[in-house]
Order: sequence, then C-alpha cells, then structure tokens
Amino acid sequence: QVTLRESGPALVKPTQTLTLTCTFSGFSLSTSGMCVSWIRQPPGKALEWLALIDWDDDKYYSTSLKTRLTISKDTSKNQVVLTMTNMDPVDTATYYCARIFVSGHMDVWGQGTTVTVSS
Amino acid sequence: QSALTQPASVSGSPGQSITISCTGTSSDVGGYNYVSWYQQHPGKAPKLMIYDVSNRPSGVSNRFSGSKSGNTASLTISGLQAEDEADYYCSSYTSSSLLFGGGTKLTVL
Repeated sequence: QVTLRESGPALVKPTQTLTLTCTFSGFSLSTSGMCVSWIRQPPGKALEWLALIDWDDDKYYSTSLKTRLTISKDTSKNQVVLTMTNMDPVDTATYYCARIFVSGHMDVWGQGTTVTVSS
Repeated sequence: QSALTQPASVSGSPGQSITISCTGTSSDVGGYNYVSWYQQHPGKAPKLMIYDVSNRPSGVSNRFSGSKSGNTASLTISGLQAEDEADYYCSSYTSSSLLFGGGTKLTVL
C-alpha cells in the first residue's frame, strides 16, 4: 500500500524559509519511473503544481516559483524535502505531496499540511 | 504558463450526465496525451479519476470517462450521483512542467 504524509511547521513568518518533508512508503524513489511531486492549494483556490523529483534525481520546478524552491530526496529515509524561501502571506496554503508518474498523473496523495504565513 | 481553463461551475440532476471542459493550448493539452482529472471533496486531498486523457485507475467508477479534441479535454460523468458533488480539476503535462485548471464545482441538484 502506497502512502505519503507531509510534515512541517503550521506557522511561518514573512521572509522566513519553509521546509516541508514528505515521508512515503510502499514504493522506492530509486525505482525507475518513480517520482514525487509537491502541490499547494490556497484556501478556497485552485491547485498549483510546485515541483517534482524523479528516481534519477532530476528536478523540475514551477516556472513562476523556481527561484524560491528547492526539492531534494533522501532515498534511504523514503523522504522528499521541499524548501521555499522568502515566504509571504500569499503562500498560505495546504501543501500536498503525491506520487507522480512521468506522464504527470498523481495517483496517491498525502493528506496535506496547512501552512499559514503571518507575523 | 497560464492555468488551464475550466468552467467555474456545472450542475446536473441525479441520473443525468454532465461534461466538464478543460481548455489549454498546443503546448500542453493539445501537445500531449497526458491529461489527468482529479476529484476533491471539501477538506480532502484530491483523488485521481482519469489519467492519460481517458484511462481510469483501478477502483474508479466507469461512470467517469475522459476524452480530448485538439486543445480541449473533457471529463464526462454519467448517471450522476449525490456523492459526485465535488470540485474537479484537470491537469496537463507541458514541457517538463505541470499545469492545473482553475477547478469546476459540480453541484448535484
């Protein structure tokens, strides 16, 4: 059974750096074709794709946010970490991680973690 | 890259069929057969309903179907049921990136 779970701070201050961890089980990120992605959803708004890391450690980022995002993986711990710098109140959202295939479809999602940016 | 265009809302009565459109460009929807559809109930994580334009994951009802013509993809739900009331999002692969639609709220009358 494939599961993913997001963890990180519920509250960050403006200008701070957000670090989120996705801990997964049921698959290995060292297996060819496996990828993990991060997606966010501001309250009442649409989903927004953020970043992806694949089994070969290739990384892909949202064009609009690429200067602020870094994605990395620790295969031995079954974890993927996303950092987002210079947080702003508009970054307040629920952040999800998901297993994603090379065609872009995400078949299993975590429950999401809510991050509020406020001083 | 702009988000894919979806109608803000659609509605239908139980038993009816509805279709949700997702319009992009030749660089995303029209350029790849990599369109996905997700269902999201309030307070829940999205659930994959259709992938690669028209494929259904195991466990998804065959009342859900997907298609594509040119730069527009569509999700059709037949035999509407109360539990289908949710938000629906399309997504498309595009040149090492992913785009989502703005979402469509489905109301079952």
